[in-house]
Amino acid sequence: DAGVTQSPTHLIKTRGQQVTLRCSPKSGHDTVSWYQQALGQGPQFIFQYYEEEERQRGNFPDRFSGHQFPNYSSELNVNALLLGDSALYLCASSRQEGTEAFFGQGTRLTVV
Amino acid sequence: GQQLNQSPQSMFIQEGEDVSMNCTSSSIFNTWLWYKQDPGEGPVLLIALYKAGELTSNGRLTAQFGITRKDSFLNISASIPSDVGIYFCAGQLTHQTGANNLFFGTGTRLTVIP
Repeated sequence: DAGVTQSPTHLIKTRGQQVTLRCSPKSGHDTVSWYQQALGQGPQFIFQYYEEEERQRGNFPDRFSGHQFPNYSSELNVNALLLGDSALYLCASSRQEGTEAFFGQGTRLTVV
Repeated sequence: GQQLNQSPQSMFIQEGEDVSMNCTSSSIFNTWLWYKQDPGEGPVLLIALYKAGELTSNGRLTAQFGITRKDSFLNISASIPSDVGIYFCAGQLTHQTGANNLFFGTGTRLTVIP
């Protein structure tokens, strides 16, 4: 049983560019959340998707957007990248009625 | 937003010693979870707590959900070298929409000296 998988594992982008990160949830999970983890800090909630809709959002600007597909996989898009967007981006999946979130290995984004 | 204060920030212990770390919040949470994160990896769930006062064990790990619902602690007994890593507490809120999200603590970096 594959856990949460994310791609790519590492990415380098130039300031101002756009990036798309991908996540496949754990088998049996229908809810996907995205978190940003800056170096030396705990993860910060970006948003959560369920039934292909964003149903909760953290304190992140509109440059951060997402999508969930019918197979429950998800994408995180960040536009107009800033140097401060450099971080580990984590995807977590869970069941809608469950409370335990399982994380992927993350995508390390570096903006130069 | 919710602030979770985790202490201590770091610990250096001898192999075989017991470890204790805790997490306090200004807000009430429905669920408390403890995660371990290795460098370059995502957090791995260790223990989940669902009721105030609940005490749960997972092998050498024991965690408790505080009575006030604003705190939790994690104990590790008889530490071994593979316990090295960063431990995060996380409080979970469930919203009226049905959505839930985690608020993470600041982390405790554990070093085990063989």
